[in-house]
Amino acid sequence: SSELTQSLSVSVAPGQTASITCGRDNIESKNVHWYQQKPGQAPVLVIYRDNKRPSGIPERFSGSNSGNTATLTISRAQDGDEADYYCQVWDTNIAVFGGGTKLTVL
Amino acid sequence: QITLKESAPSLVKPTQTLTLTCTFSGFSLSTSGVGVGWFRQPPGKALEWLALIYWNDDKRYTPSLEKRLTVAKGTSKNQVVLSVTHMDPMDTATYYCAHRPVVGDAFHLWGQGTMVAVSS
Repeated sequence: SSELTQSLSVSVAPGQTASITCGRDNIESKNVHWYQQKPGQAPVLVIYRDNKRPSGIPERFSGSNSGNTATLTISRAQDGDEADYYCQVWDTNIAVFGGGTKLTVL
Repeated sequence: QITLKESAPSLVKPTQTLTLTCTFSGFSLSTSGVGVGWFRQPPGKALEWLALIYWNDDKRYTPSLEKRLTVAKGTSKNQVVLSVTHMDPMDTATYYCAHRPVVGDAFHLWGQGTMVAVSS
């Protein structure tokens, strides 16, 4: 399947670790990128090429990609991490996005 | 410092053609590997990629909308234009452009977006 599957929502307590997954057959063969989007704001790149952090993104954000699942991990979750998170890959020059996961910090 | 900003009419009528402009600074679309992408997001819904133009003027479109989309470099070196024909209320969305610095890479920086409503 060319679709990327994300859970609709994930909840995490402040200070705990949140894992947001992106599923697809053999996704490990792709570079996966992750974007954070807060309400009313444009997306922000938080992880690219599976596990690289752009400058300015806290070390609390990390990524991995293995088998059929790519994972965005947010350690020591904060209120400010509440947002929608989207994964993205390239399929022969076509950008494919997951449906997004809403992270709630409560 | 790279910045991008989208501009478009805030309201268009059904069947009209929407023209969006992305005005950017801090990079050149003539640099090998660079691309500018277009996206949209209907209210309360997920991001959707629409189109990409490469430094070498190659273009790619999302298959579901390809017949309605045209992306091009603008008359100014720091602009990219996206046209969407036959606008429908379902096309009501915030439209974004973004910078991709390397082929196959992520979109590293995004514009603030511009909201376009389609209504008669």
